[in-house]
Amino acid sequence: GQQLNQSPQSMFIQEGEDVSMNCTSSSIFNTWLWYKQDPGEGPVLLIALYKAGELTSNGRLTAQFGITRKDSFLNISASIPSDVGIYFCAGHRNSGGSNYKLTFGKGTLLTVNP
Amino acid sequence: GAGVSQSPSNKVTEKGKDVELRCDPISGHTALYWYRQSLGQGLEFLIYFQGNSAPDKSGLPSDRFSAERTGGSVSTLTIQRTQQEDSAVYLCASSLGRGVETQYFGPGTRLLVL
Repeated sequence: GQQLNQSPQSMFIQEGEDVSMNCTSSSIFNTWLWYKQDPGEGPVLLIALYKAGELTSNGRLTAQFGITRKDSFLNISASIPSDVGIYFCAGHRNSGGSNYKLTFGKGTLLTVNP
Repeated sequence: GAGVSQSPSNKVTEKGKDVELRCDPISGHTALYWYRQSLGQGLEFLIYFQGNSAPDKSGLPSDRFSAERTGGSVSTLTIQRTQQEDSAVYLCASSLGRGVETQYFGPGTRLLVL
């Protein structure tokens, strides 16, 4: 199936540092989503991007939908310990009647050292 | 509660046994999804239910996997003759059922096949 290449696989940073992660694909996606998964929980939506070039912020989070519609990045500024978790990118493709399907990246494991 | 709930939260079974995993979606959500999350991997789409339409079963990995949704609400994912490679977290999500939209995830069922 379609693959989203997410990097880095893991990050270990100090509290207060900024973080950047990204996803790329060989195919066009019409919607990009970023989720966070805490240990023992299901993923929770952080940011949704619907238009190429769109830049959206949610508090300390900023995400962009790449112009080519084949990539997206997520930045976290001034990290805090509760930012720890796995961050997933996901995309929707308008493929006939199955535009409900999400394709997920493999995740970025973020560890924040207090 | 107001969110998606899943049971059991953990399940340990012996190879060859059948298991049933349950999902209670958010009230009023007509769309329901099952995903599988293996260690270090992203979420793998399994099956999608939307209202009274025929489910999209294209993600089910083998005929040992089946799912049903009774009364347009609760869903059960059944794995017959479990294998060790079935060990994973099985996540359920629901959404309003209007196409590209936010999916709300449950906490998942952690399945371990010995």
